[in-house]
Amino acid sequence: EDQVTQSPEALRLQEGESSSLNCSYTVSGLRGLFWYRQDPGKGPEFLFTLYSAGEEKEKERLKATLTKKESFLHITAPKPEDSATYLCAVQGYGNKLVFGAGTILRVKS
Amino acid sequence: SAVISQKPSRDICQRGTSLTIQCQVDSQVTMMFWYRQQPGQSLTLIATANQGSEATYESGFVIDKFPISRPNLTFSTLTVSNMSPEDSSIYLCSVAISRLAGYNEQFFGPGTRLTVL
Repeated sequence: EDQVTQSPEALRLQEGESSSLNCSYTVSGLRGLFWYRQDPGKGPEFLFTLYSAGEEKEKERLKATLTKKESFLHITAPKPEDSATYLCAVQGYGNKLVFGAGTILRVKS
Repeated sequence: SAVISQKPSRDICQRGTSLTIQCQVDSQVTMMFWYRQQPGQSLTLIATANQGSEATYESGFVIDKFPISRPNLTFSTLTVSNMSPEDSSIYLCSVAISRLAGYNEQFFGPGTRLTVL
């Protein structure tokens, strides 16, 4: 059974304090690993897709990396507007996404 | 990506009643999905709704409780039937967009926040 574990559950950072979120996964035949951002009361917002180990993608202050067992979402010099829940999901055979529980990020000014 | 809208955005319902949630996409898509997000939890897939075929339900979800329609390639509905307070959740629709590499990316609507009293 496909599984996704995210850590930490919650993370508090000062503005400008860089850090990383972790997503560990087990999946039979990885077809894609996805990162989403979710603000309270809203639907998940697509951030990145990673398909193969060694792949990296960047968007503004965010950088996602992928190995055969885990993915990291690196946040460089975060700002208060980066505060959100970050969700990781994997897609194995078929089109079903399996989500992790998410990491709640709070960035204080 | 795709622009997805849902109606209603929120509702408060009495137990025993039913609510139909609508999902509209701005382009034709083959694969649509319905998810549930219970308070403080992550997303759980309810069913996959492909046009021209019966919806496929995940373990723990049944058609009598969550009937789904998919009349065309831009629209779907999810009905939450005979509601109880345990059905209070955010219900989200999503669509899958195929990429050249043969993989799909899923994009989500804004969600419908349902409270059952």
